Amino acid sequence: GESVGLHLPTLSVQEGDNSIINCAYSNSASDYFIWYKQESGKGPQFIIDIRSNMDKRQGQRVTVLLNKTVKHLSLQIAATQPGDSAVYFCAENMTGGFKTIFGAGTRLFVKA
Amino acid sequence: SQTIHQWPATLVQPVGSPLSLECTVEGTSNPNLYWYRQAAGRGLQLLFYSIGIDQISSEVPQNLSASRPQDRQFILSSKKLLLSDSGFYLCAWSGGHSGNTIYFGEGSWLTVV
Repeated sequence: GESVGLHLPTLSVQEGDNSIINCAYSNSASDYFIWYKQESGKGPQFIIDIRSNMDKRQGQRVTVLLNKTVKHLSLQIAATQPGDSAVYFCAENMTGGFKTIFGAGTRLFVKA
Repeated sequence: SQTIHQWPATLVQPVGSPLSLECTVEGTSNPNLYWYRQAAGRGLQLLFYSIGIDQISSEVPQNLSASRPQDRQFILSSKKLLLSDSGFYLCAWSGGHSGNTIYFGEGSWLTVV
């Protein structure tokens, strides 16, 4: 379900290092997964998505990994930059479904 | 391309006053529309979703209501605000070429005093 009442976990990384943000999803029937980035005071922005027929998808500096066996999703950010500092949400959905379920979110701090 | 706008961006309202937040989507037809709320430093809570005009589902019992008078317009309302209604309200849409991907508006900060 939606973890809306929890304080966000935090990940702190050094600029230039790689970041890995993890997410456990809840519904075995979910077949579409999305990562969002939310900067302070703004709405979440789409970063990258993956369907359940894939286990890896790469974008520009970002990679999403999907492990359906353990219902785990991760977002890898290469060469993390100060502009990557934000809250990152994973989300799951089913084909034809109207509701997207969001994870609790992870706050990423990038140290210069 | 599709765009989503919501307003006002910020508002401060006294307890017991009414609320109206508006959201419009351009560049697509028959979108699924959503209202989310986010307390400071917290996750996203789905409040309402709509798959068509006058077709609205409520996810959480509360002091708020939603209406969809036109295909691409979604309105969040309250007759009497409570302190606990304070938060960051996000309108979002999905459908059409975007499939299941949800795209969010800029958000509206509501402070009830």
